[in-house]
Amino acid sequence: QITLKESGPTLVKPTQTLTLTCTFSGFSLSTSGVGVGWIRQPPGKALEWLALIYWTDDKRFSPSLKSRLTITKDTSKNQVVLTMTNMDPVDTATYFCAHIFNSDAFDMWGQGTRVTVSS
Amino acid sequence: QSALTQPASVSGSPGQSITIPCTGTRSDVGGYTYVSWYQQHPGKAPKLMIYEVSNRPSGVSNRFSGSKSGNTASLTISGLQAEDEADYYCASYTTSSTWVFGGGTKLTVL
Repeated sequence: QITLKESGPTLVKPTQTLTLTCTFSGFSLSTSGVGVGWIRQPPGKALEWLALIYWTDDKRFSPSLKSRLTITKDTSKNQVVLTMTNMDPVDTATYFCAHIFNSDAFDMWGQGTRVTVSS
Repeated sequence: QSALTQPASVSGSPGQSITIPCTGTRSDVGGYTYVSWYQQHPGKAPKLMIYEVSNRPSGVSNRFSGSKSGNTASLTISGLQAEDEADYYCASYTTSSTWVFGGGTKLTVL
């Protein structure tokens, strides 16, 4: 079955760069139609889509955050890495990664990882 | 891109039906069949409930149904049960090949 798990620091300082890793199993990012996305959720607030990488290495980013985001994949390790530069306290959130197939929906999600931005 | 518009809250009694609307634009909800709905209980990851406007993943109760008219998609839950109390989010693919989520709706089962 498909599983995903996010990992990374729980606390980052303002202006620092956040690096999160999504490690998955049950599918391959070299399979046609497959993608992995990142979505975040500030405490008590709504979900916000951040980025997505496809099996072709095509990458998509939220227009409002595009300048701060990078997404890469390591097919051999079954990992996707998201980096977000210039972190600010408003970026405090739970960050989720999720599987998508043929662009239709995020059908499996990781448990999420909580990131706090504070000095 | 702006978040899709959902009511902040809806409520219903056990056994009743409720509908949650999700309003977007021609550039997202109105332009694609890639509209999905997610259920999120407190402290948990979202769970896919509806994909491609009206399709249910395996294992999701047939009490959950989806539809779309123009720029507005809707999630209907019939025969409300206590376990349905949760936050619900819609999401849509967009003309920019990106995704956008709704602001979320808190469902209270009275």
